[in-house]
Amino acid sequence: EPEVTQTPSHQVTQMGQEVILRCVPISNHLYFYWYRQILGQKVEFLVSFYNNEISEKSEIFDDQFSVERPDGSNFTLKIRSTKLEDSAMYFCASSRGTSGRYNEQFFGPGTRLTVL
Amino acid sequence: GQSLEQPSEVTAVEGAIVQINCTYQTSGFYGLSWYQQHDGGAPTFLSYNALDGLEETGRFSSFLSRSDSYGYLLLQELQMKDSASYFCAVRPHNTGGFKTIFGAGTRLFVKA
Repeated sequence: EPEVTQTPSHQVTQMGQEVILRCVPISNHLYFYWYRQILGQKVEFLVSFYNNEISEKSEIFDDQFSVERPDGSNFTLKIRSTKLEDSAMYFCASSRGTSGRYNEQFFGPGTRLTVL
Repeated sequence: GQSLEQPSEVTAVEGAIVQINCTYQTSGFYGLSWYQQHDGGAPTFLSYNALDGLEETGRFSSFLSRSDSYGYLLLQELQMKDSASYFCAVRPHNTGGFKTIFGAGTRLFVKA
């Protein structure tokens, strides 16, 4: 069964460093998303991506964040200069569409980012 | 603004039925989804209600009433493996449907 994959599973970085989180969405999906979840809290939307551009972003997704689909399979989230409060689990997700059954989002296993 | 309210915790016994409610304040949305998340795991999709009424998928059912700004997830024949967090989620109209807002989640404890 197709699944979303993410690498690395755990990333430890120093404050101020850049990190790139990588995702491979399900191949026939058209919509891609990044979410974050601080330990014990709810899942928070960061950004959605469709047709090679950002379709929506939240107030969390400021200038320190960027996304890219560099080729036909990878989808990346870059945090330019990490802060302590960026420590969280980051989930990538993809969906075939945004309506009806195609609205179902498939989540990857997540990357745990720890900023020291 | 948009917000989704869920109880923080629910406890039930194995074999029982439990209902997890979700009330919301949002100007309009495309549908109500439910996701399950085990500790340390990723959210997994359970159910979606685009229209009012009941949707059934095996032991899980979900209900939506837009007029009451209310929905719920019903879990029947509870099993120990159902112990997890459950999130309701919506895609608001005013974001073009691309943004998903999650509730804070309900932690379900299933006891033997």
